[in-house]
Amino acid sequence: DAGVIQSPRHEVTEMGQEVTLRCKPISGHNSLFWYRQTMMRGLELLIYFNNNVPIDDSGMPEDRFSAKMPNASFSTLKIQPSEPRDSAVYFCASRPDTSYNEQFFGPGTRLTVL
Amino acid sequence: QQQVKQSPQSLIVQKGGISIINCAYENTAFDYFPWYQQFPGKGPALLIAIRPDVSEKKEGRFTISFNKSAKQFSLHIMDSQPGDSATYFCAATGGGGADGLTFGKGTHLIIQP
Repeated sequence: DAGVIQSPRHEVTEMGQEVTLRCKPISGHNSLFWYRQTMMRGLELLIYFNNNVPIDDSGMPEDRFSAKMPNASFSTLKIQPSEPRDSAVYFCASRPDTSYNEQFFGPGTRLTVL
Repeated sequence: QQQVKQSPQSLIVQKGGISIINCAYENTAFDYFPWYQQFPGKGPALLIAIRPDVSEKKEGRFTISFNKSAKQFSLHIMDSQPGDSATYFCAATGGGGADGLTFGKGTHLIIQP
């Protein structure tokens, strides 16, 4: 099993540019989560999907952030326009649709906005 | 999201000692309490988890103690080893574990040889 796959692993961009982060969940997992990790705020849930439908996006910081899950094997997190305070490590996680099951995290994308 | 408070922020333990990390939560709707371990440059990985219908769960050297009335839970690492040096996060979620995780701020654990 390849695990959760994220790309790119590192992204450096300039303020104002559009950034797209990508995630491929583990095959057969019905739920997908996007988290952000910073030194100041720790690990925060941004949004999660179940069966490709967004369930809770209350953690999305502002309208500059958007997430999509067009099919069961792919999700994107887009930031437009990006700002320096968006610099963080963004993690994608997936879990199977059974009770009390763990979330499997990807390796993360380290985003730096200059 | 309801807060999960974690302490201490950092912890240094001698090899062979017991490492103890504590967490407290507010939301009584939480029904699944996992602990995650994270090494530098890696994503968090599940270490051990507990449901509120039991007071203790043990897996090898790792034990979770859970106090539902106090809304507190803790991780004990017995016979701590240098390879246990990592950042540990407690977390909580509801909906039978289906919802997103609310994480504590993390504990940076160093095991000295």
